[in-house]
Amino acid sequence: QSVLTQPPSASGTPGQRVTISCSGSSSNIGSNSVYWYQQFPGSAPKLLIYGNNQRPSGVPDRFSGSKSGTSASLAISGLRSEDEVDYYCAAWDDSLSGPVFGGGTKLTVL
Amino acid sequence: DVQLVESGGGLVQPGRSLRLSCAASGFTFGHYAMHWVRQTPGKGLEWVSGLSWNSGNMAYADSVKGRFIISRDNARSSLYLQMNSLRAEDTALYYCAKEYCSGGNCYQGAFDLWGQGTTVTVSS
Repeated sequence: QSVLTQPPSASGTPGQRVTISCSGSSSNIGSNSVYWYQQFPGSAPKLLIYGNNQRPSGVPDRFSGSKSGTSASLAISGLRSEDEVDYYCAAWDDSLSGPVFGGGTKLTVL
Repeated sequence: DVQLVESGGGLVQPGRSLRLSCAASGFTFGHYAMHWVRQTPGKGLEWVSGLSWNSGNMAYADSVKGRFIISRDNARSSLYLQMNSLRAEDTALYYCAKEYCSGGNCYQGAFDLWGQGTTVTVSS
């Protein structure tokens, strides 16, 4: 059971905008930055969003993040077939003194 | 190339020990906090342990506290994880990960460089 809650799946059609939600608590999302990772099968996770809504160099601006209270969202616009992979949210947890992750969302491009 | 390469995984019996290593290259290893994160099909991603750049601060997940020990050798650009009293639930793919820093700020819990992982299987 993951500390952060994500829907196990999400879907959209090419060109569409989709969002993936992530729910936490006051000890993690409520008081710390949220991160998002993208993971291709057989590969390590890749940092997609940091500081709630910042993109590391090289990440397309089709990907955006937001946070409100104890929840966060990842939005992907202009959906492409290559976006059909797994996405994880994460945040530092003050109670655990370490980062916690969501269970992951598998995105399907219809 | 900027990379992390883990090694030391394998099949081990419950109660035994294993030591994982992570060799870093292509960046100034001693400037960054480093972490171990594990992944299983059933439980997803789980942070295991983290260590500050100078080994002054270390932290562990409750699930491994008292059994695992994280350490580093900045002269060798290497990170280690000594895993003792292993349990079946420790079975996972273990990643070494570098903490992300940008513009003079470092982001606790954000990892911008990961290794390819090393598999640990605890079974009799």
